Amino acid sequence: DGGITQSPKYLFRKEGQNVTLSCEQNLNHDAMYWYRQDPGQGLRLIYYSQIVNDFQKGDIAEGYSVSREKKESFPLTVTSAQKNPTAFYLCASSTQGSGNTIYFGEGSWLTVV
Amino acid sequence: DAKTTQPPSMDCAEGRAANLPCNHSTISGNEYVYWYRQIHSQGPQYIIHGLKNNETNEMASLIITEDRKSSTLILPHATLRDTAVYYCIVISYGGSQGNLIFGKGTKLSVKP
Repeated sequence: DGGITQSPKYLFRKEGQNVTLSCEQNLNHDAMYWYRQDPGQGLRLIYYSQIVNDFQKGDIAEGYSVSREKKESFPLTVTSAQKNPTAFYLCASSTQGSGNTIYFGEGSWLTVV
Repeated sequence: DAKTTQPPSMDCAEGRAANLPCNHSTISGNEYVYWYRQIHSQGPQYIIHGLKNNETNEMASLIITEDRKSSTLILPHATLRDTAVYYCIVISYGGSQGNLIFGKGTKLSVKP
């Protein structure tokens, strides 16, 4: 089935450690995105990429890093510099064109202990 | 992208139509209205979108006012599984950088 796969679904991290969240899509979409969602809040954009080997910072990029070496993959690294990393992380992708419907993965819960 | 306004919560009886309103008074001519919903601990699910004409698909209908300043999402026969947070957002034609302003949406509770 076509879709967006995020892994892991749940992740625990000790303070001071980096952690990488995986996002893979087989929809042949050019654009991919990472969002953060805190309880009861809307989505905030961390990074987005419209083409391979290129990405742009969103509203809350500090403490995060990404790479886009392949069209299908857009991993997000939460670094130790991120002061409040505990959150629900959502990966999404879209085509480039009219409408730009964005499709989301199932999300990854990150908890810092 | 323009901002939207939605009521924080609504109730609906199972089997009845759920009508969810959204105001987007600052929408511009090249912006689409999109609806998503999110069940707790899952990613948002795309429902429907439109520009200025009413739209219908297997999940819902979207009614957009003639001045495009508001819209209504209609779930014709709500079920318990439709209980979720519903988000109305606007996205520019061909140019979204993903900076979607989801806001807090409307929490729809479908009751038996």
